[in-house]
Amino acid sequence: DTAVSQTPKYLVTQMGNDKSIKCEQNLGHDTMYWYKQDSKKFLKIMFSYNNKELIINETVPNRFSPKSPDKAHLNLHINSLELGDSAVYFCASSLQVGQETQYFGPGTRLLVL
Amino acid sequence: DAKTTQPNSMESNEEEPVHLPCNHSTISGTDYIHWYRQLPSQGPEYVIHGLTSNVNNRMASLAIAEDRKSSTLILHRATLRDAAVYYCILRDVLRNNQGGKLIFGQGTELSVKP
Repeated sequence: DTAVSQTPKYLVTQMGNDKSIKCEQNLGHDTMYWYKQDSKKFLKIMFSYNNKELIINETVPNRFSPKSPDKAHLNLHINSLELGDSAVYFCASSLQVGQETQYFGPGTRLLVL
Repeated sequence: DAKTTQPNSMESNEEEPVHLPCNHSTISGTDYIHWYRQLPSQGPEYVIHGLTSNVNNRMASLAIAEDRKSSTLILHRATLRDAAVYYCILRDVLRNNQGGKLIFGQGTELSVKP
């Protein structure tokens, strides 16, 4: 069983489109995250949710809107995609906020043309 | 946030031990030292963490200097599957207002030669 899964694995789209990436964890964790890894392989936190509530928004443009319908899911919707949004997006989860180990999904490779 | 410094890259031979260094001279007393690694085309995965004492698990060992200003991740017998980027990350146990985020640096890219 995959602990943290993301769909789709690859996403190629045109500038200006709106797209969503889905994340699900079956670990029973309370906290979920979105990270972005850019073309230089630099990994940076975007959002963190605990019990469906937003606790971190790292100055991400408001074109990015995370939604957590329940504790097991954290989706990422991106409006008006730009070339600079091309990156690998990783979802992660942890038992609780704080020092807990984070478990990462396989990533979604987004290419904006 | 306390900063970590790691070499950009290291090479190892298969089945030999690997020592991956990390400097964190501004570490605070409440910072835990965590290591994650990212295999090619995969998400990061947890390796090990510690506060003051050396730690061992099935994946690796973590040796922490007495003054805690540096640490070393030890892979006892490198395999081809250990080729990855290794990240040394400090996490302050008191700063839960950071929302549990991991702050990744550039990491060390480890290549393993057969």
